[in-house]
This record gives sequence, structure tokens and C-alpha cells, in this order.
Amino acid sequence: KNQVEQSPQSLIILEGKNCTLQCNYTVSPFSNLRWYKQDTGRGPVSLTIMTFSENTKSNGRYTATLDADTKQSSLHITASQLSDSASYICVVSAGDDKIIFGKGTRLHILP
Amino acid sequence: NAGVMQNPRHLVRRRGQEARLRCSPMKGHSHVYWYRQLPEEGLKFMVYLQKENIIDESGMPKERFSAEFPKEGPSILRIQQVVRGDSAAYFCASSPWGRETQYFGPGTRLLVL
Repeated sequence: KNQVEQSPQSLIILEGKNCTLQCNYTVSPFSNLRWYKQDTGRGPVSLTIMTFSENTKSNGRYTATLDADTKQSSLHITASQLSDSASYICVVSAGDDKIIFGKGTRLHILP
Repeated sequence: NAGVMQNPRHLVRRRGQEARLRCSPMKGHSHVYWYRQLPEEGLKFMVYLQKENIIDESGMPKERFSAEFPKEGPSILRIQQVVRGDSAAYFCASSPWGRETQYFGPGTRLLVL
């Protein structure tokens, strides 16, 4: 069964600290993996997209990694800011055009 | 280039009424997706449409729910005879082709009293 599991479910860190969010998937055949950021009350916004051959991709202070062998991805946020408080959603596309969403990690940045 | 537009942003209906949610995709995008998000839950795929065609409706309930994307005008998600369990945020996304990176609208929050 195609699944995307994210951890932790929620995370609280102090402003300025780094953090790493995890995404494990059992989607086959794998097509690509995306990380989205969803601010409260708004629609998700794409941060990164990675295909099978890519293992690292950065977008400013966000760095995503992908290990296609272990079917794991991580999103690392450097020097967190208050505006990083949001839900981060891992989304995996299967080769048959199905898209599977994780439930997200809710990140809270404290001043 | 305006982003994906959804309206209304908030909709209140009584049980048994109909709810119509509209989505205007980004300019040049001919693929539209509808998702439902319950409080504290992840996004759940409902339906994927191209102009005048339903490509995948595997996530949409068989009864009371319907979607369309006419040749002209916005995509419409229609919920007939709403029940309290339909209360959720409904997000629309669009893409230029296939299932490429989808651009999400701000969502419509439906509250059924």
C-alpha cells in the first residue's frame, strides 16, 4: 500500500535553531518527492521537488535530501525564523500518476 | 500572473443545503485538482480534472459530490445536501500539465451548521 509517513507530528524549537523533519514512504513506482509549506489558513506552497536521481536540493534556508534506496527524505531548516512556523507536508508521486500526501509536521518557532 | 483563486473563502451552510465551491486556475494551467483537509489532518485527494474531462475521481465520495471544469469559466466542486461531516477546508490546485508541481489556492472553509 502506498503510504507517506512523516515525523515528528509536531515540533517546537527556539528561533535561530536548526531542525530536521523526516519523511518515509512506501510508494512504488517512485516518480518524485516534494516538500510543501502550509501556513495556517492558507494553501500549501512548494519548497522543493526531487526526482530519483537527486539526493540534495536547497531553497534558501531549506535543504531537502532524498535516499531512494531507504525511501527516506528529510527537510532541514537552518537558522529558523518565526515565519517558519507552519505545517510541512511531504508529497510523493507514484509512476502511475497517483499522488500521496503525508499528514505533515507542525513546526512552531518560539521567540 | 494571478495565482489560483478560490471563492468563496468562507461558506456557511445548513444541513441539507447545497455548497458550490469555485476555483480559477493559474493562467495557462489546464489541470485542476481538488483536495479536502479536515482539522489537524493532512490533505486528501478528491478529484483531478482537465478542461471538460474528469481524469481521476477516485477520492471523491460517490454520492452528493460532483466536480466539473468547463471549457469556459472556473472549476466547480458541488456538494449537495451537505452534512456536518462535510465541514472542512477545500483546496484547489492547478498545474500546466500532468501531475507536475501543483500551485494551491487559499482554500474555501466550509462550515455546515
